[in-house]
Amino acid sequence: ETGVTQTPRHLVMGMTNKKSLKCEQHLGHNAMYWYKQSAKKPLELMFVYSLEERVENNSVPSRFSPECPNSSHLFLHLHTLQPEDSALYLCASSHVTSVGNDTQYFGPGTRLTVL
Amino acid sequence: RKEVEQDPGPFNVPEGATVAFNCTYSNSASQSFFWYRQDCRKEPKLLMSVYSSGNEDGRFTAQLNRASQYISLLIRDSKLSDSATYLCVVNKVAGYSTLTFGKGTMLLVSP
Repeated sequence: ETGVTQTPRHLVMGMTNKKSLKCEQHLGHNAMYWYKQSAKKPLELMFVYSLEERVENNSVPSRFSPECPNSSHLFLHLHTLQPEDSALYLCASSHVTSVGNDTQYFGPGTRLTVL
Repeated sequence: RKEVEQDPGPFNVPEGATVAFNCTYSNSASQSFFWYRQDCRKEPKLLMSVYSSGNEDGRFTAQLNRASQYISLLIRDSKLSDSATYLCVVNKVAGYSTLTFGKGTMLLVSP
């Protein structure tokens, strides 16, 4: 529907597990983003990739490791997470122009629970 | 001061009512402004961009006051389907866009 898909939609993992979240955009955009949405907090930007290069890392702990192999795909690799990392993880994409008024389109999110 | 501040609500209104949401932002370097809508347990979706001249899309009217760093959204003739959380979003661009979200204002429209 929005052209941005995410898998899995739900994930339950233990603190010692390693898992990856996947995002794919079918909109021909040149920038992709990871956000975290925790209960009663605003969406927090985690990472930005522009033209497949990481351009922003908002003081995110190293247990979150992003990967952008091409302009259509974005991964978030997870390892040794903590229960407080339980949240909705949203991927977004946009087409950045020199004017700058680009719109970000969001995927449906992965609801992550860390036990 | 929070970067983007909104009244969390909830705003409980009957069908047909007019309701207004306000938002303030702290970063004067912000360049573009949006209202997103988020339904329960769903992703945010763009409702409308906000321009200094004010803009209208059907029952929705958005206003921006750069001098006061203030953004508003007016919903006329509320429908049950308008029940959602409305997110005020500001954008700063430096080669790519950086969106900063408010916590959102919850609207509940009742029959």
